Amino acid sequence: LAKTTQPISMDSYEGQEVNITCSHNNIATNDYITWYQQFPSQGPRFIIQGYKTKVTNEVASLFIPADRKSSTLSLPRVSLSDTAVYYCLVGPSGGYQKVTFGTGTKLQVIP
Amino acid sequence: DSGVTQTPKHLITATGQRVTLRCSPRSGDLSVYWYQQSLDQGLQFLIQYYNGEERAKGNILERFSAQQFPDLHSELNLSSLELGDSALYFCASSSPSSGKYEQYFGPGTRLTVT
Repeated sequence: LAKTTQPISMDSYEGQEVNITCSHNNIATNDYITWYQQFPSQGPRFIIQGYKTKVTNEVASLFIPADRKSSTLSLPRVSLSDTAVYYCLVGPSGGYQKVTFGTGTKLQVIP
Repeated sequence: DSGVTQTPKHLITATGQRVTLRCSPRSGDLSVYWYQQSLDQGLQFLIQYYNGEERAKGNILERFSAQQFPDLHSELNLSSLELGDSALYFCASSSPSSGKYEQYFGPGTRLTVT
């Protein structure tokens, strides 16, 4: 599995756009990039997944440059309820391999 | 609600004991994953089953074992419990049709070993 590097923590004010970047320099050709959100004492929740360029859903956007060595999760106009840990995962399709969540990025939204 | 259920929600037991955690995956999901999350360790992958067969193994101790039954529910057995086994244990499931890393997590079982 490709190793990922994310900031340990980030702070943002309510209403701001938050961008969390994940580095994955050794990403393989068949790897997808997936982001999860976890609130305290709850299981992680799937947010978004992409392979290249830009993916958008009702919750977030995922930007992936052409070389795919990094990705950026964008959360528009965050609220206090977006305070959570965000994990970036990189791995091949099929999900038959070990899954490593890493330490994630702890986002604190400030009123 | 992810559709994944886990029982019990809380479990308190003594060192040296054995416990069984149960997980029912989402309807139609064939893969089940088990994770351990403690305060100082983050989310650690333990083991994965696919349609009854073990598919991937992570940092699972020899004192721990798991299995997936024909009805696709899974059980994680923890034996000779130690204080350090106190943690949140999550089960997740995924569908082979998604073909990607989209896992659905249950609410977890909080294990406290005293």
